[in-house]
Order: sequence, then C-alpha cells, then structure tokens
Amino acid sequence: GQQLNQNPQSMFIQEGEDVSMNCTSSSIFNTWLWYKQDPGEGPVLLIALYKAGELTSNGRLTAQFGITRKDSFLNISASIPSDVGIYFCAGSNTGNQFYFGTGTSLTVIP
Amino acid sequence: EPEVTQTPSHQVTQMGQEVILRCVPISNHLYFYWYRQILGQKVEFLVSFYNNEISEKSEIFDDQFSVERPDGSNFTLKIRSTKLEDSAMYFCASSRDLAGSTDTQYFGPGTRLTVL
Repeated sequence: GQQLNQNPQSMFIQEGEDVSMNCTSSSIFNTWLWYKQDPGEGPVLLIALYKAGELTSNGRLTAQFGITRKDSFLNISASIPSDVGIYFCAGSNTGNQFYFGTGTSLTVIP
Repeated sequence: EPEVTQTPSHQVTQMGQEVILRCVPISNHLYFYWYRQILGQKVEFLVSFYNNEISEKSEIFDDQFSVERPDGSNFTLKIRSTKLEDSAMYFCASSRDLAGSTDTQYFGPGTRLTVL
C-alpha cells in the first residue's frame, strides 16, 4: 500500500511556541487531510486540502497542499495544552480510500 | 451536532470466534468506511461502501471480513474466525458525498477489539 511518512515522529514544545510538521508520500494525491487523534478516540478532521499549492487555515492551524502533490505541511501557531495529541495526515485520489501517515505525536509543556 | 456512533466500545473475544462491530453513520450520509488501528500504529483503511456495495477495499480486507448495511441506519463489520492479530481499534466513518471531492469523512469513537 501507499506509504506516507510524517516528520517529526514526536515533538515536545513549550506552550506558546509554533509547531511545524510535514507529510511526504512517494505517490501523488488529489486530496490531503489533516486529523488530530486524542487517546482512545477517533480521528477528528482539522483541515482538508483539495488543490495543489492550496494554503488553508482553521484558527491557529494552517496547512498547505504541496505543489508536487506528494507532500503536505501543517503548522500550529501559539500552541496551547489542548493541542496535545497525535496528528495524522491522510491522502486520497478516489475519495473512497484514504491512506494515513505514520503520525506526529505532539506534547505541549505548560 | 450529528455524530457517528459505534458499539460496543470494547469487545473481547476468543481466537476463532466471530465478532460483529456495529456503527450508526450520520443519518444523511451515503458513503461508509471501516478503518483499523493497531495499538500505537497508524490508521489503516479496510473498506468503503456505497449504494449497498463495496466501493474499494484494501489488501487487509480479505475473506475473513465482510460488511453489511442491514437496515437504514446500521453499518456492520463482521470478522470471522478472529485471530490474535485482529486485536485493534476499529473505526467507522461516514461522509455525505464522495470524500475527497467536496466532503470528507467523520469518524466514530471506535471499538476496541481484543482477541485472546
């Protein structure tokens, strides 16, 4: 299956700092999604990207659809303790099947 | 706000037994999905379902698995003859339109399956 690698694997940051993470694939996708997963819960959609080069914001979150269509980036500004969780990227070409990344675990230190 | 629900939240079964995991998608959604997540690993696609038939399935979704929409509200995943390696969180998701075009998937809280 498709392999989506996320970097970094884990992050430990101070509250108030900005966060950057990325997701790369060996294949191109038409859609990129970013999810956050809290322990014991299902992923929750943060941002959806549908066009190469697209830059989309959702509050303190900003995500970009890489121009090559093989990568995507997520930035979180001014992190707060509730940002703690695992962030997954996901890519799709058909809308029926989504491939998830390996995840980035974020810890925010108050 | 409408949400996807799943039952049970935790299922414990003996190896070789059959289990049925249940999901109630959001009521006006037409596309349904099952994913699994082995503890500490990434979310893996199993199958998508539309118009009462499978749209796509991954290599994980072999003859051991089946899905069904037995009525207008439930969407089930059946695992026959469970194996130890089937232990995982199973997530149901649904979308109104074809996810990835103009809509996307909303996930349920998951069912934790433990095979002993």
